[in-house]
Amino acid sequence: KNQVEQSPQSLIILEGKNCTLQCNYTVSPFSNLRWYKQDTGRGPVSLTIMTFSENTKSNGRYTATLDADTKQSSLHITASQLSDSASYICVVILSGAGSYQLTFGKGTKLSVIP
Amino acid sequence: DSGVTQTPKHLITATGQRVTLRCSPRSGDLSVYWYQQSLDQGLQFLIQYYNGEERAKGNILERFSAQQFPDLHSELNLSSLELGDSALYFCASSGTSAPRVTGPLQETQYFGPGTRLLVL
Repeated sequence: KNQVEQSPQSLIILEGKNCTLQCNYTVSPFSNLRWYKQDTGRGPVSLTIMTFSENTKSNGRYTATLDADTKQSSLHITASQLSDSASYICVVILSGAGSYQLTFGKGTKLSVIP
Repeated sequence: DSGVTQTPKHLITATGQRVTLRCSPRSGDLSVYWYQQSLDQGLQFLIQYYNGEERAKGNILERFSAQQFPDLHSELNLSSLELGDSALYFCASSGTSAPRVTGPLQETQYFGPGTRLLVL
């Protein structure tokens, strides 16, 4: 069964510090892997999209990395801000035979405190 | 603001009933996606429409159906509602040009604010 596992489930960090969120997947090969940020009660916002052949993608203070050998992706947040408090969701998209399948992780809930 | 609108914001109904959720995509976007997010299941992809035609199906129940109209807005119909259907329902849109292959391979999806459905 295709799975996407995220860790940690939740994380509390001090404002200004860096952090790294993990995404382990069994879906392989895939078309692309995405990271989303979701504020409580709001729709997800796309942070990064990486294809199977890419190993890093940045979006401001967010940097996603991908290791296809270990089937792991990480989202690194630099110089965290209070507004980074949200859930971060990893999604793996598998396509083929004219259709596709999205497998979502359960997310990591990040709290940034002053 | 993503440019995707959804109505209503909140919906409370009883088991066995039928409801319709509405989504207007960003101006020019041809693809509309529907997602369900519950506390225990997380986000799940339901269905995609591209320019009025069904393009892909995910974990959509037979009690659920969707359509996309000529003006590109979409509706998700949920019938014979059960307590377990209580969730946030998101619509997303993408794609101002025809996708090279089926599916959201490279396009950024823009999510709406969601409709919170409570089935009592």
